[in-house]
Parts: sequence; C-alpha cells; structure tokens
Amino acid sequence: EPEVTQTPSHQVTQMGQEVILRCVPISNHLYFYWYRQILGQKVEFLVSFYNNEISEKSEIFDDQFSVERPDGSNFTLKIRSTKLEDSAMYFCASTPGREETQYFGPGTRLLVL
Amino acid sequence: GNSVTQMEGPVTLSEEAFLTINCTYTATGYPSLFWYVQYPGEGLQLLLKATKADDKGSNKGFEATYRKETTSFHLEKGSVQVSDSAVYFCALSDQGDSWGKLQFGAGTQVVVTP
Repeated sequence: EPEVTQTPSHQVTQMGQEVILRCVPISNHLYFYWYRQILGQKVEFLVSFYNNEISEKSEIFDDQFSVERPDGSNFTLKIRSTKLEDSAMYFCASTPGREETQYFGPGTRLLVL
Repeated sequence: GNSVTQMEGPVTLSEEAFLTINCTYTATGYPSLFWYVQYPGEGLQLLLKATKADDKGSNKGFEATYRKETTSFHLEKGSVQVSDSAVYFCALSDQGDSWGKLQFGAGTQVVVTP
C-alpha cells in the first residue's frame, strides 16, 4: 500500500539554524499539508499546498517558514532561522482531492537547542 | 471559528471493557468528521470518518455517529484490547471554507491493561 514518507525521522539543530524537512507524498496525490504537534499539545495545521502554490496557511506559518515542491515527488518544509519553540513533531500529509482522506507520514521530530 | 473538544485523558481500562471517548465540535459550515489514532512512536492513522449527519463511521470494532443535533462524534468500542492503547484524535474538516485542512482536538490517551 502506498504511504507518505518523511525524512529525517529525528533532527537536532541549534537555535538560529535553517532546517529542511522532507516529505514524499503518495504519487497520485494533488494536495499537500504540513502539521505540527508540540509535545503534549494538539496537532496544529501549518499550511496547505496545491498546484505549486500555498492555498492556505495558519498564523503559525510566518515568514520563517516556506514550502516547496522542488520536483515531482518531494514536498519540503523549510524553517529559515529556528527558534526553541519550533521544537515539535512535524507531520506531512497528502490527499488526492480536497475532500478526500488525508494520509499522514510518520513525522519528523525536530529539537531546537 | 471551528473547533473540536474531546475528553481529557488518560483513560485507563481493562481488556474487554467498553470504551467511549466524547468529542464535540463547533463549525460554521457542514464539516466532515474524523477519528485518527496515534500508536506509540508512530504517525497519525485514519481510524474512521463520517461526512454528513447521521452517518456512522466504523473500523476495527470502533464506531462513531455524526450527530448534528448535538454536534457530537463520540468514539465507541465494545471490547478493547491491549493493542488499542494509543492516543485518539477527533478532527474536523470544513470543506466549505478551507482547502481541506484538518482541525484536531487535544487527543485522548487510552491505556488498556491486561
């Protein structure tokens, strides 16, 4: 069964450094999402992406964040200058249609020191 | 705005006990409702969903009915197993005013003991 994959599974970085989290969505899916889950808190929507552009973003998704689909398979989340409060589990999700079920990757656990 | 409220955990049960996790929502439109499950060390997996009022979603012995009159989507299972120990998230997607984003409740940890 096709699945969403994410790399790396864990990343530790110093405050102020740039990180890129990578996702490979399911191949025939058209809508892509990033969510995050700070330890012990709820899963929060960050951004949705369709047709090579951001379709919706939350207030969390400020200028420090960007997303890109650099080729036909990868979908990346970049945090330009990490802060301590960016420490969280980041989940990628994809779906073939806007009203279809979202399939989640296993997540990347980011720790900012 | 839209929101999801679910009962706090942890919920601790013995094997074969009945499980209920309450979930209520507020939404301006006509949302689809979901239950996702997160097993220890893993990502989110869709457990079941319902897209309109009175629909019942079911999977792996779990059920939830979309109740518009009470704005609820409570999750139930008649006889839990140790392998059901996980965190359960209620979520909604209001297709009318978003690009499919999911809004999650805080999650309810369920611990099933032998």
